Amino acid sequence: DAGVIQSPRHEVTEMGQEVTLRCKPISGHNSLFWYRQTMMRGLELLIYFNNNVPIDDSGMPEDRFSAKMPNASFSTLKIQPSEPRDSAVYFCASNRGEGQGHYGYTFGSGTRLTVV
Amino acid sequence: EDQVTQSPEALRLQEGESSSLNCSYTVSGLRGLFWYRQDPGKGPEFLFTLYSAGEEKEKERLKATLTKKESFLHITAPKPEDSATYLCAVQAAGNSGYSTLTFGKGTMLLVSP
Repeated sequence: DAGVIQSPRHEVTEMGQEVTLRCKPISGHNSLFWYRQTMMRGLELLIYFNNNVPIDDSGMPEDRFSAKMPNASFSTLKIQPSEPRDSAVYFCASNRGEGQGHYGYTFGSGTRLTVV
Repeated sequence: EDQVTQSPEALRLQEGESSSLNCSYTVSGLRGLFWYRQDPGKGPEFLFTLYSAGEEKEKERLKATLTKKESFLHITAPKPEDSATYLCAVQAAGNSGYSTLTFGKGTMLLVSP
């Protein structure tokens, strides 16, 4: 199994530009999570999908952030327009879903976003 | 609101010097407490899940324990390859049937040869 695959690994963009981060979860996992990690705030949950449906998006900072999961094998996180304070490492994670929580989440390697 | 506090923020050990990392938590009904290891430039890697006070789990030089208010990650005779950031997370027993992990900020461990 290739694990959770995220792309790109690094992204440098100018303020005001649109940024799209991509994630392919592990096959058979029906829960998908987007987290953001910074030194100041640690790992923060942005949004959680179960069976491709957004369940909890209360962590999405503002309307500039949007996430989609069009099918079980692909999700995107979009920031438009991007701002310097969005600079962070964004992680995608997947899980077998409720009832299988003891396996924890499997995280991807992350996308390091820098907005200049 | 679920809260997780880890201490110390950073810990430096000599190879073979045993120690413990602390994770204090407040949660409305604990469903599970998780420990992860994170290496630089990588995503967190799952280590253990603990479900109830008194439970213990072991893996090589690591042992995790759980009480009603905190969890400890004991590292026995650490080696340089144990250097990493260790993250603690809690999962609450959500009323809706769905619940997610709330993470602490982690303890950065450095083991010197």
